[in-house]
Amino acid sequence: EVQLVESGGELVQPGRSLRLTCAASGFTFGNYAMHWVRQPPGKGLEWVASIDWKGGDTAFADSVKGRISISRDNGKNSLFLAFSRLTSEDSALYYCTKDISPEAGGGTIEHWGQGTLVTVSS
Amino acid sequence: SDLTQPPSVSVSPGQTVSITCSGDKLGDNYVSWFQQKSGQSPVLLIYQDSLRASGVPERFSGSSSGNTATLTVSGTQAMDDADYYCQAWDRSAGIFGRGTKLTVL
Repeated sequence: EVQLVESGGELVQPGRSLRLTCAASGFTFGNYAMHWVRQPPGKGLEWVASIDWKGGDTAFADSVKGRISISRDNGKNSLFLAFSRLTSEDSALYYCTKDISPEAGGGTIEHWGQGTLVTVSS
Repeated sequence: SDLTQPPSVSVSPGQTVSITCSGDKLGDNYVSWFQQKSGQSPVLLIYQDSLRASGVPERFSGSSSGNTATLTVSGTQAMDDADYYCQAWDRSAGIFGRGTKLTVL
């Protein structure tokens, strides 16, 4: 069974940095692209970032470009999202998701974790 | 680019309802559909316009024509009361529609 468990979300002050982690299990992690998708409380879904199976190809939403990085450790079945210069607009539930394809774009988001909540507030 | 969905639709139990998703990139790209029930993570229903994900009931179907994709729920059940999102890729950027609230009356 595919399991994606996010962690690292917390209450953080504006302008600070944060790193989210997704622990994957139940599948061969290194064979698939992964994505982060976020959802502000009471609002819709927003794609944030993608990374291909080997970590060499990444893509970011315009709303976060320049402030985030996405990376993975296939040996530890882990996906990461690192934020800098956080703003209140970044407050959301952040989902780790698995693709059915090894490539970063144009695939299919198949599985979702339960999410980790990031709240940016002073 | 944007994906446009109706904010809400309603249907009586047992009836058929369709949710549309339109966007100028859809003619060149596949669409996925996700269901999100209150307090839960989204679940993949349909991918590549019309393929049902594993375990998804047959009453859910997808189609696409030109710049519009459609999710149809036939014989709607009370458990289908949820938010539905379409999603596509514009080159490497993911795009979600704003979601449609399906209310089963």
